[in-house]
Amino acid sequence: NAGVTQTPKFRILKIGQSMTLQCTQDMNHNYMYWYRQDPGMGLKLIYYSVGAGITDKGEVPNGYNVSRSTTEDFPLRLELAAPSQTSVYFCASKGTANTEAFFGQGTRLTVV
Amino acid sequence: EDQVTQSPEALRLQEGESSSLNCSYTVSGLRGLFWYRQDPGKGPEFLFTLYSAGEEKEKERLKATLTKKESFLHITAPKPEDSATYLCAGGSNYQLIWGAGTKLIIKP
Repeated sequence: NAGVTQTPKFRILKIGQSMTLQCTQDMNHNYMYWYRQDPGMGLKLIYYSVGAGITDKGEVPNGYNVSRSTTEDFPLRLELAAPSQTSVYFCASKGTANTEAFFGQGTRLTVV
Repeated sequence: EDQVTQSPEALRLQEGESSSLNCSYTVSGLRGLFWYRQDPGKGPEFLFTLYSAGEEKEKERLKATLTKKESFLHITAPKPEDSATYLCAGGSNYQLIWGAGTKLIIKP
C-alpha cells in the first residue's frame, strides 16, 4: 500500500517557469489537500478537494492552480514561478472529515 | 476565527526528563484534535486523534489528552529518538487548522 505519493522530490525552477507537482493516493480517499511549509513555520493550506471535480481555495492560493479529474490524482500547477514560492510542498489525503490525514514525503522547490 | 496555538515553540530536555507540550484551540464545530510527528525532511506522521473532552490516548512514551480548550501531549522518560517537531491540528468540516508546532530536542 503506497499511500500518498508525490513527485518530484526536489526541483529547481527559474523565475517565470511553470511546473506541475504530482500527487497520487491509492486509499480511495475523497479529501485531498496541498500545503506549503516554510522553514520553521506551520502548514499553510493552498487548495483542497472534497471529491473528483470539486476544488476550493485555501489560505494561500495565489500563484497556484489545481484540478481533480479522478479520485486518485490531485496535481498542483505553478504558473510563472516566483522566489516567494520557494518552499516544501506537501500533499495529503483523508477518507472522511473526522479521520486523520496521510501525507506524502514532500516536494522541495527552489525558485531562483 | 478558527485558531490553533502551540507552546512552547521549542523544548530541550535531557533524556529521561518528562514534560508536556500544549495545544490551545478555538475551532468551531471541532471534528477531532489531531497530533502528528514530523521529522526533518519528511511529511507529518499521524500519532493520535481525540474527539471529546476527557479522552486520552497513549502510544509508547506519549500520551495525548483533551479538554474543551486545550490538548496536551505528555512525554514520559523521553529518548533521543523522540526528537522531532510535534504538530497539532483541529478538524473543521473539510479542513484541518494547524498549529506552528513544537520542536522537541532530547539530549542524551
